[in-house]
Amino acid sequence: DQQVKQNSPSLSVQEGRISILNCDYTNSMFDYFLWYKKYPAEGPTFLISISSIKDKNEDGRFTVFLNKSAKHLSLHIVPSQPGDSAVYFCAARAMNSGYSTLTFGKGTMLLVSP
Amino acid sequence: EAQVTQNPRYLITVTGKKLTVTCSQNMNHEYMSWYRQDPGLGLRQIYYSMNVEVTDKGDVPEGYKVSRKEKRNFPLILESPSPNQTSLYFCASSLRRATNTEAFFGQGTRLTVV
Repeated sequence: DQQVKQNSPSLSVQEGRISILNCDYTNSMFDYFLWYKKYPAEGPTFLISISSIKDKNEDGRFTVFLNKSAKHLSLHIVPSQPGDSAVYFCAARAMNSGYSTLTFGKGTMLLVSP
Repeated sequence: EAQVTQNPRYLITVTGKKLTVTCSQNMNHEYMSWYRQDPGLGLRQIYYSMNVEVTDKGDVPEGYKVSRKEKRNFPLILESPSPNQTSLYFCASSLRRATNTEAFFGQGTRLTVV
């Protein structure tokens, strides 16, 4: 049973427009959510995160929104740039005996065209 | 520079020939883990380690072994590789307890088993 779902395998956006990547989760014990960005031939890199006690976190062009009642979060990139083209993974944290474990979604490939 | 280093980056091997993928981190992180990335399946955790001599299975541990004799190293061992273990592998490390459980990933190891 997939606990973190990214239902859109890919997304195409024009440069300058907004990119919205979505993520749904099922485990109510998740208390922290992260987005990772991955370029080909590189490891994922941390992008932005949000605690479950917040509903929004902003960092430059990147904003993550969390709707706990809907168990849904989204990553907004505005304005989108060609360099944002990458695979984006949503991840959720659960604490287990003092240690955290991360569960990842399948990823969404974002293509930003000039 | 804080980093997670995996070796080798690319490996082609034959079925049944034992291999080890090394992973080393220089951030004094307690928590380390291995993931595999497959098309349409995203990142799936193979094994993780909460500290030295403490390891546990992730979501897809079959066919893999790990060891954690030192804090900085977490090798992934395939005793008898099979073609279904052809994949892209990532090692990651993070702090045991942190408000932001950002995981740092290695560059990846692309393994092909023929």
